[in-house]
Amino acid sequence: GEDVEQSLFLSVREGDSSVINCTYTDSSSTYLYWYKQEPGAGLQLLTYIFSNMDMKQDQRLTVLLNKKDKHLSLRIADTQTGDSAIYFCAESDTGRRALTFGSGTRLQVQP
Amino acid sequence: DTGVSQNPRHKITKRGQNVTFRCDPISEHNRLYWYRQTLGQGPEFLTYFQNEAQLEKSRLLSDRFSAERPKGSFSTLEIQRTEQGDSAMYLCASSSSGVETQYFGPGTRLLVL
Repeated sequence: GEDVEQSLFLSVREGDSSVINCTYTDSSSTYLYWYKQEPGAGLQLLTYIFSNMDMKQDQRLTVLLNKKDKHLSLRIADTQTGDSAIYFCAESDTGRRALTFGSGTRLQVQP
Repeated sequence: DTGVSQNPRHKITKRGQNVTFRCDPISEHNRLYWYRQTLGQGPEFLTYFQNEAQLEKSRLLSDRFSAERPKGSFSTLEIQRTEQGDSAMYLCASSSSGVETQYFGPGTRLLVL
């Protein structure tokens, strides 16, 4: 079955860039997503990328996709304390509507 | 607020009781999804509706779980004879046909004592 893997924890200083990485196994993935979850809250969609793209930029967020290596990354420029949260990578494929999520990366931003 | 809403936000129940959760999707969205999230994990898919039809169910959805979307708008998720292992956050999401982005509600946190 599909599997999505993420590192558990990342700590950065305010103002630095954060890079959160994700790997996936499903070669038929069509869309890949990044969601943000703050404590006790639901998931906020940050951005997504279609599998035929290799980069997408949206304000402070840059998504890079290496389809050959099945590697996805999220770069947050000028990281702020308000960016502290858990970030989930997710994928979907053409055959299913369900999203498959990783276990999340906890981003801690130190002042 | 035109986002996905879920009620109740929190539910505490005793083992063996039945519970029902409600999800109201974004009004123009015809697809609705239920996920379950346990502590320290990402959400896991439970089931999916397109309009009123339940098109996919995960093997996680045991026979104690039932979901409905009778008029193609709001949905309910019922858990019968709750067990302590059912304690989790239950998340609802919605999307439109042809648009592959799912928007999530705030979730219902269930604690089974």
